[in-house]
Amino acid sequence: GNSVTQMEGPVTLSEEAFLTINCTYTATGYPSLFWYVQYPGEGLQLLLKATKADDKGSNKGFEATYRKETTSFHLEKGSVQVSDSAVYFCALDNQGGKLIFGQGTELSVKP
Amino acid sequence: NAGVTQTPKFQVLKTGQSMTLQCAQDMNHNSMYWYRQDPGMGLRLIYYSASEGTTDKGEVPNGYNVSRLNKREFSLRLESAAPSQTSVYFCASSGDSYRSNQPQHFGDGTRLSIL
Repeated sequence: GNSVTQMEGPVTLSEEAFLTINCTYTATGYPSLFWYVQYPGEGLQLLLKATKADDKGSNKGFEATYRKETTSFHLEKGSVQVSDSAVYFCALDNQGGKLIFGQGTELSVKP
Repeated sequence: NAGVTQTPKFQVLKTGQSMTLQCAQDMNHNSMYWYRQDPGMGLRLIYYSASEGTTDKGEVPNGYNVSRLNKREFSLRLESAAPSQTSVYFCASSGDSYRSNQPQHFGDGTRLSIL
């Protein structure tokens, strides 16, 4: 069946460092891909999405490109801030709106 | 600006007790979902409702029941709580489940502990 694998955390970075969180997927067809972010004590919020191969989703300085060849959707940001500290989830649409999530990657940004 | 509202926010139960988690959305969404979040496992779908009057099992439905009371409300019931159901439960909604690029909007979660 379809699945999502994320790099394990926690990831600890200094402010202004470059961020990459790896996400790879296994799926039949070409599902839509998403990154969600969860701040402490809150629910998940959509960060960005891509609906077809080679699409680039972007929001708040974060980017991710839908790579069909490598079945990947890595999240990147050029310069992280303390306020980016959160848990990040990669997800794919498993038909009919049912999402399959990766295990989540905790990011901690130090000043 | 409520979005998806879940009640209660916290609950402690004893093994064998029953309870219902409530969820309501004010975005006129057709589809609603219940997930559980466990450490190191991401979120897993328990049940979903593609539209008012329909419900279907997700990945981990055992031990749970749901009711889509109307378009706004989707409740999750634990008939006989077990310690393995200790988790954080999230409700979500989206415009239409058949459109694969529709984002889901999440509530803030219910933290449930079963002793």
